[in-house]
Amino acid sequence: DTGVSQDPRHKITKRGQNVTFRCDPISEHNRLYWYRQTLGQGPEFLTYFQNEAQLEKSRLLSDRFSAERPKGSFSTLEIQRTEQGDSAMYLCASSLSLKETQYFGPGTRLLVL
Amino acid sequence: AQSVTQLGSHVSVSEGALVLLRCNYSSSVPPYLFWYVQYPNQGLQLLLKYTSAATLVKGINGFEAEFKKSETSFHLTKPSAHMSDAAEYFCAVSGSGNTPLVFGKGTRLSVIA
Repeated sequence: DTGVSQDPRHKITKRGQNVTFRCDPISEHNRLYWYRQTLGQGPEFLTYFQNEAQLEKSRLLSDRFSAERPKGSFSTLEIQRTEQGDSAMYLCASSLSLKETQYFGPGTRLLVL
Repeated sequence: AQSVTQLGSHVSVSEGALVLLRCNYSSSVPPYLFWYVQYPNQGLQLLLKYTSAATLVKGINGFEAEFKKSETSFHLTKPSAHMSDAAEYFCAVSGSGNTPLVFGKGTRLSVIA
């Protein structure tokens, strides 16, 4: 059990560029979550998957955001046409099943210039 | 719907003193309650969780929390603060474990030597 990993850990991009983040959950965890954390705030839910199915999306997830989990293992979160307001820490978490503890990765810190 | 209020964005205690971090929740269904800790530039680590069993929950690193339904509270305590406890602490709620986590804004704990 190597924990949840995220790549990259840091990303600096210019406004208008597209970025993609990857999350590798703990093996055998079928639930995977994405959260966003801005400075001075707690994490806010974005979306989650059960296996490859995306079950819920927050209103925070605008049309510029898309998440996938094609084979029910790793997940990617893409942000198109980034805006300065997208600057945040993007956290991924996984859990074995519904009602089980969510384990968080180290996060990807995005800075949009 | 669920929500969390953490009273005090910053708490400062002396090394060896009692730590008390306050959390009040709102939930339309029986809540699952969590405390997570976040060290600088890291993800969240679970300290403890309440899932409708014992109201006094013991966690890692000497922390514990008591669920008080009448007060809708889930305050975090530790009898004696250590320098290594300095971090950001987040309280979170899930509706019966079926809904994504809703986090408070966090409380930054400073420990003074």
